[in-house]
Amino acid sequence: NAGVTQTPKFRILKIGQSMTLQCTQDMNHNYMYWYRQDPGMGLKLIYYSVGAGITDKGEVPNGYNVSRSTTEDFPLRLELAAPSQTSVYFCASSYSRRAPEQFFGPGTRLTVL
Amino acid sequence: DAKTTQPPSMDCAEGRAANLPCNHSTISGNEYVYWYRQIHSQGPQYIIHGLKNNETNEMASLIITEDRKSSTLILPHATLRDTAVYYCIVRVESNFGNEKLTFGTGTRLTIIP
Repeated sequence: NAGVTQTPKFRILKIGQSMTLQCTQDMNHNYMYWYRQDPGMGLKLIYYSVGAGITDKGEVPNGYNVSRSTTEDFPLRLELAAPSQTSVYFCASSYSRRAPEQFFGPGTRLTVL
Repeated sequence: DAKTTQPPSMDCAEGRAANLPCNHSTISGNEYVYWYRQIHSQGPQYIIHGLKNNETNEMASLIITEDRKSSTLILPHATLRDTAVYYCIVRVESNFGNEKLTFGTGTRLTIIP
């Protein structure tokens, strides 16, 4: 199993550009999450999904959108990039709400200039 | 979810036991204590979790005080590969399936050769 994979690894955007961060898991997990981590800080939850077709906001959802059309994929969309969105983005998945372990991807480092 | 307090940094000699403390004085009866670690900006990795009994797995031991207001993560024989930021997280299981993990700033553990 590849686990949780994320693409791209790095990206530089100009203010106002848009992009989609890709996240795929091959563990047949129902739950998927997007976090962001600013320098020297802990992770903050952006959006999460409890299954295909179901998504909900986390702690810091402004400026982002998500969709979950399949169990495997959970893309994160930035519509109008702003410097405040410069961060490292982590995708994670877990089997169920009672499964204690969240599996994290390697992250995408995004810089908005 | 209850807040946690951890020391910002600790050192430990290679081969010795690393003991990482965490205070969670406002923890509720149905909240679990989780530990994750993050090695050099990789995605966080699950270590262990517990409710009120001490727990042990192949990676570490978790000691929770009887009043549950604090806990200690023990890495029995620390190696250089254990150098990482360690996060203590308190989480309640949500009826809506929100497996939110609230990350603080953690403890930066440095293993010294």
